[in-house]
Amino acid sequence: NAGVTQTPKFRVLKTGQSMTLLCAQDMNHEYMYWYRQDPGMGLRLIHYSVGEGTTAKGEVPDGYNVSRLKKQNFLLGLESAAPSQTSVYFCASSYSTGAGGYTFGSGTRLTVV
Amino acid sequence: AQSVTQLDSQVPVFEEAPVELRCNYSSSVSVYLFWYVQYPNQGLQLLLKYLSGSTLVKGINGFEAEFNKSQTSFHLRKPSVHISDTAEYFCAVSEAGADGLTFGKGTHLIIQP
Repeated sequence: NAGVTQTPKFRVLKTGQSMTLLCAQDMNHEYMYWYRQDPGMGLRLIHYSVGEGTTAKGEVPDGYNVSRLKKQNFLLGLESAAPSQTSVYFCASSYSTGAGGYTFGSGTRLTVV
Repeated sequence: AQSVTQLDSQVPVFEEAPVELRCNYSSSVSVYLFWYVQYPNQGLQLLLKYLSGSTLVKGINGFEAEFNKSQTSFHLRKPSVHISDTAEYFCAVSEAGADGLTFGKGTHLIIQP
C-alpha cells in the first residue's frame, strides 16, 4: 500500500549540476503533479500531467522539465541547478481534477550550494 | 483562476483553548476546498475536505470547517487544542477541470502550555 513514493528523500547539488527526481504511484491515477514548498509561500505548482505522455506548465515552471513516459511515473528534471531551486519538492497524484482524491508523497529536500 | 488567502501567518493559542484558522478563496466557478496539516519535517496530511452537501465538514483529530459561499470562506476550527496540534496548516482550493490544487501560504499554529 505504497501510494506515492518519491526518490531521493534528500539531495545536495552544486550550482550547475543536473538531477532527476522520481515520483511513482501505484493507484492507477491519471493525474500527477509536482509542487515546490518554500517558507512563507505555501506549495506552488511546477508542472503537471493529465495522463501518460502528457505534460503541462504550472505556476512556476522555469528551470524545470518533466516527463511522463509511463502512467505510474512522473519525473522532474533540473538541467542546471541554481540556489533559487533550493526547496522541498512534493509529488502528488489524483484520479480526477477538482474533487480529486489527491495523494501526496513524503517530499524531497533539495539544497543547491 | 482560483486563489487562496490565509489571513494569518501565525496563530498562537494556549493549550485547551479554541482556535480558528481563517481561509478565504476566490473562484469564478464551483469549488472544492481542502485543509491539510504538515507536522515538522513531514509531508502533507489531509484534515478534511468540502466537495458538496452539508456546509459543516468534520475531519480528523477533532477539527471541523464551515463552507460559506457568500463570504467565500472555509475557516478551520477546533474547540480545544492540544500541544500535538502544533503544525503548519494549509488551505487549498480546486475547480472541476482545473490543474490541481491551489494552496494558501499556510498558517503556523503555535500551542502554548
